[in-house]
This record gives sequence, structure tokens and C-alpha cells, in this order.
Amino acid sequence: DAKTTQPPSMDCAEGRAANLPCNHSTISGNEYVYWYRQIHSQGPQYIIHGLKNNETNEMASLIITEDRKSSTLIPPHATLRDTAVYYCIVRATGSARQLTFGSGTQLTVLP
Amino acid sequence: EAGVAQSPRYKIIEKRQSVAFWCNPISGHATLYWYQQILGQGPKLLIQFQNNGVVDDSQLPKDRFSAERLKGVDSTLKIQPAKLEDSAVYLCASSLYRGENTEAFFGQGTRLTVV
Repeated sequence: DAKTTQPPSMDCAEGRAANLPCNHSTISGNEYVYWYRQIHSQGPQYIIHGLKNNETNEMASLIITEDRKSSTLIPPHATLRDTAVYYCIVRATGSARQLTFGSGTQLTVLP
Repeated sequence: EAGVAQSPRYKIIEKRQSVAFWCNPISGHATLYWYQQILGQGPKLLIQFQNNGVVDDSQLPKDRFSAERLKGVDSTLKIQPAKLEDSAVYLCASSLYRGENTEAFFGQGTRLTVV
């Protein structure tokens, strides 16, 4: 699976939309972009995934560039409970492939 | 629906002792994963099961770690003998494999401290 690059940390003011970037310049055509987050002392939690179109669910929006080499996760209206490590993962489709986690981005939501 | 259950939540043992962790996945989930997460790092896959067969155990230190999934449901991960560097959170996850992209659901993990 392709490698991803994320900033180690970011801050966001409460109530604002956080914009979490991820670079996956070596992504191939059959690979999806997944986002998980891990709140302190809990297991990772699925947020969203997408292939090439932008996706939105109740947790966040995922914007994927046209060339698919990067993406941005946008959790709207951040609350203090959104403070967590956010992982961007690239995973091949059509299989029960493992999720390979990097170091992620520590997002701190500030009051 | 009930989530992935893991026990114990915390465990402290001395080096060279043995320890076992238990995982009960979400009902009907065919795929089960064990991950190791060392403090400050992302989770690292140890072993992946599809029903009760092993799909990937390439990163499992087989000289001391073992795992089984009897009847394709519950799973146990064992360490014998434990080393100081095994101190970590052990996460179990499961997913509903239908040949499509389905998300994995994680348990809260077992925090192991080896002293």
C-alpha cells in the first residue's frame, strides 16, 4: 500500500473547521484513502474513506485532489472532544487488507 | 450493536512471565486483527485472521507471540516469555469482509506493562 505523509501536530480553535492534510503521492488507481482517529486511551475509530470523489458523512468531509496525490479531512465545528490523533491510510480495494498506520497528526482543539 | 470486547483492560507482569489477552469481535465479522501500539507510535499489525485461518502473521514475533481464533469467533493473543519491550497497548479489531472496502472496528485495547 502507498505511504502517507501527515504533519505531526496541528491546533484548531473550538467551533472552527479543522483542515487535516495528507500526502499520498504514490497512490495507485485501486487504492482508497481512509481516515481514522484515536482519542486518548481508546482504540482507533473509523471516520470516512473515499476513492476519487469528495465524501461527506456525519463526522467529516473528505476532499481528494483530482490527481489523488493528496487529501484533506475536514471535521466541521471542532469541539474539545475532537482532540485526537488522526491517521490517514491508503489501502487497496477488493480485499480484507490490513490497515497500515503511520504516526498520524495530533490535533489539539483549543478552547 | 455491541462493539469489539477486549480483556483485561490493564495487565502488569514481570519480564519472562507469560500473559494472554482475549478478544471477542463484533458478531458476524469474519476478519480479526491484533495490533501492537507502542507509546507515541501508530498501531502495528501483528496478525490477521480470516474466519479461523491466518491471513498475515509476517510481523508476529513467533518465538514468543502466538495467537489463535477457535471456531472463527473469539481470539487469544499470548506472549511467552514477555520482554520489557513488549510493554504496549494490544488492540483487537474486526471487520465484515465481503470483498469490499469495509471499515475495521477497534476495541479499547489491553495496556500491558512489563517490569
